[in-house]
Amino acid sequence: GENVEQHPSTLSVQEGDSAVIKCTYSDSASNYFPWYKQELGKRPQLIIDIRSNVGEKKDQRIAVTLNKTAKHFSLHITETQPEDSAVYFCAASRRGGGNQFYFGTGTSLTVIP
Amino acid sequence: ETGVTQTPRHLVMGMTNKKSLKCEQHLGHNAMYWYKQSAKKPLELMFVYNFKEQTENNSVPSRFSPECPNSSHLFLHLHTLQPEDSALYLCASSQELAGSLYEQYFGPGTRLTVT
Repeated sequence: GENVEQHPSTLSVQEGDSAVIKCTYSDSASNYFPWYKQELGKRPQLIIDIRSNVGEKKDQRIAVTLNKTAKHFSLHITETQPEDSAVYFCAASRRGGGNQFYFGTGTSLTVIP
Repeated sequence: ETGVTQTPRHLVMGMTNKKSLKCEQHLGHNAMYWYKQSAKKPLELMFVYNFKEQTENNSVPSRFSPECPNSSHLFLHLHTLQPEDSALYLCASSQELAGSLYEQYFGPGTRLTVT
């Protein structure tokens, strides 16, 4: 089965700086890679996703890059704000994979004002 | 109500009790999931249902019993639980279309405490 690894497990940045979270996956057939944000006491919510036919996707201050050859994808948050503080999870899934999503272990991001 | 709802939001039960968690999705999705989220641990997938049929059971103890009567409702029946089963139980739904998966929508979760 798929194995998703996520680093770092914790990350602290100054407000205004950038944050980068990296994930690797093992199954070359994986083709859908969502990122979820979970604020304290709340449900995980999708913030951005990317499919294997695209190398990069941006949405305002958030971007995701995908390197299919190296089997890794990264979340980039620019101009961080205190409200970006949360746990971020990456995930991987594939067509015909039994609807399974494989999640990373999460990164706790703290943005220091 | 829209999205994915879960009841109850909080549950305290003894080890000999029987209780059920309920999940309902109002999104017309065809796949539903149960996850367990423990403190400082990743999301653990427990069960997957696709078009009401269970497609995955990730070695979950038999004291957890899922039920999916239709594509909008999902239950998790609990029986003779252990204190280590205390966690946040999240339900999610997603849509598979032409073999491609789309994002999962999560419910608010049930915070379960086993005493």
